[in-house]
Amino acid sequence: QSALTQAASVSGSPGQSITISCTGTSSDVGSYDYVSWYQQHPGKAPKLLIYEVNNRPSGVPVRFSGSKSGNTASLTISGLQAEDEADYYCSSSTSSNTDVFGGGTKLTVL
Amino acid sequence: QVQLVESGGGVVQPGRSLRLSCAASGFTLSSHGMHWVRQAPGKGLEWVADIWADGIKIYYADSVEGRFTISRDKSRNTLYLQMNSLRAEDTAVYYCARDISYYAFDCWGQGTLVTVSS
Repeated sequence: QSALTQAASVSGSPGQSITISCTGTSSDVGSYDYVSWYQQHPGKAPKLLIYEVNNRPSGVPVRFSGSKSGNTASLTISGLQAEDEADYYCSSSTSSNTDVFGGGTKLTVL
Repeated sequence: QVQLVESGGGVVQPGRSLRLSCAASGFTLSSHGMHWVRQAPGKGLEWVADIWADGIKIYYADSVEGRFTISRDKSRNTLYLQMNSLRAEDTAVYYCARDISYYAFDCWGQGTLVTVSS
């Protein structure tokens, strides 16, 4: 199972909105609404931001949102804040009853 | 308080074995799907294996199939990962994680580092 494709890096200024894309195939993202997004700060465990494409766990700010179209899922962060600077990973269930992560996107808040 | 604590990592020679443990507290581990995810130094996340709540369905990544075994002990509320025939490319921080939906990991341990080196 090949990793999902994410841009290596993205940047934005405080208050702006950014979108991180995650491209898979018809065997994963395109066929299942089980796409999740995680935030990981250096040296820390990942934190779940979005599950089932667009659901936020309790405690995750509403400025984090998810969507999907075809084989591509997206995470949008509105009103960027300095503490949003981190690595972001998408993941999807697959037709093989496994999970696959994206390569990760490093977000820099300018 | 929901918590996962991994242990068992360390330095091991290629070809040897190691068993990781993940002790759960604040919830019943067997009521959830549970997963192992690893992260090589400076690299991204890689899903390794899972055991469903029914305890019957178990799946592995191709990279570890036949070498790693996931299991759980209900009485100890603990998840395990038996790793055999270890290779240098298995060097990583290993996390256990709780599933709240279908591959949605809402609780992660702090991770345990496994280094495979001669």
